[in-house]
Amino acid sequence: AQSVTQLGSHVSVSEGALVLLRCNYSSSVPPYLFWYVQYPNQGLQLLLKYTSAATLVKGINGFEAEFKKSETSFHLTKPSAHMSDAAEYFCAVSDQSNYQLIWGAGTKLIIKP
Amino acid sequence: EPEVTQTPSHQVTQMGQEVILRCVPISNHLYFYWYRQILGQKVEFLVSFYNNEISEKSEIFDDQFSVERPDGSNFTLKIRSTKLEDSAMYFCASSPRGQGQYFGPGTRLTVT
Repeated sequence: AQSVTQLGSHVSVSEGALVLLRCNYSSSVPPYLFWYVQYPNQGLQLLLKYTSAATLVKGINGFEAEFKKSETSFHLTKPSAHMSDAAEYFCAVSDQSNYQLIWGAGTKLIIKP
Repeated sequence: EPEVTQTPSHQVTQMGQEVILRCVPISNHLYFYWYRQILGQKVEFLVSFYNNEISEKSEIFDDQFSVERPDGSNFTLKIRSTKLEDSAMYFCASSPRGQGQYFGPGTRLTVT
C-alpha cells in the first residue's frame, strides 16, 4: 500500500530564507508525486507534479521538487521565502496518473518577517 | 484560466437529511473525483469517476454515498442520510489524462 510522510506539521522560516518541506513516500510501483498548496479558507492548488519525466520538477511561485528514488523522497524547496508563501502544503502520491491520491498530513509553512 | 467550481460553499444540514454537493469540473477533463477533509485530519479519497461510471472508491464511500454526472457539466455527490461524522470539507477534482488533479474550492458540510 502507498503512504506519504511529511516531516514536521509546522515549519517556520524567515522571509528571504530557504524553504525546505520534506516528503517521503512508499510505493510498490513507480509513483506519481504531487505537491499541493492550500491557502487559508481556500481549496487545494496544484504546485507541481512528478510523472516519471525529469527528476527535478519546477512548479508555480518559484517552488521546485526533486524526485530521489534511492531516498524515496520528493522534498519541496524554494530559494527565498516570501510572506505570501504562508500556507499549508500537502504531498500526495498515486500509482497511476489518474488514480486516487494518497495524502500526507500536511505541513503548515509560517513565514517570519 | 479554467477552474473547478463547487456549490454551495457551506451547507448546514440536520442529521438524517440528504444533501447533494455540486461540482462543475473543467470542461475538457475526463476524470472526476471527490475527496473529503475532516477538520484537523488528512485529505481522504472518496471516489473517482470516468466514462460515466465509478472507477475507484474507498471504504468510506459506502451505500449512503452516490455520485452522478447528470449532464455534460455537473458532477454531484449525494449523501443519503447524513451523520455527524460526515461533517467535513468536501473537495471535487478533475483531471485531463495523466496531468494531475485540479481541485475546486470545497464545500464545507456541517451536520448538526
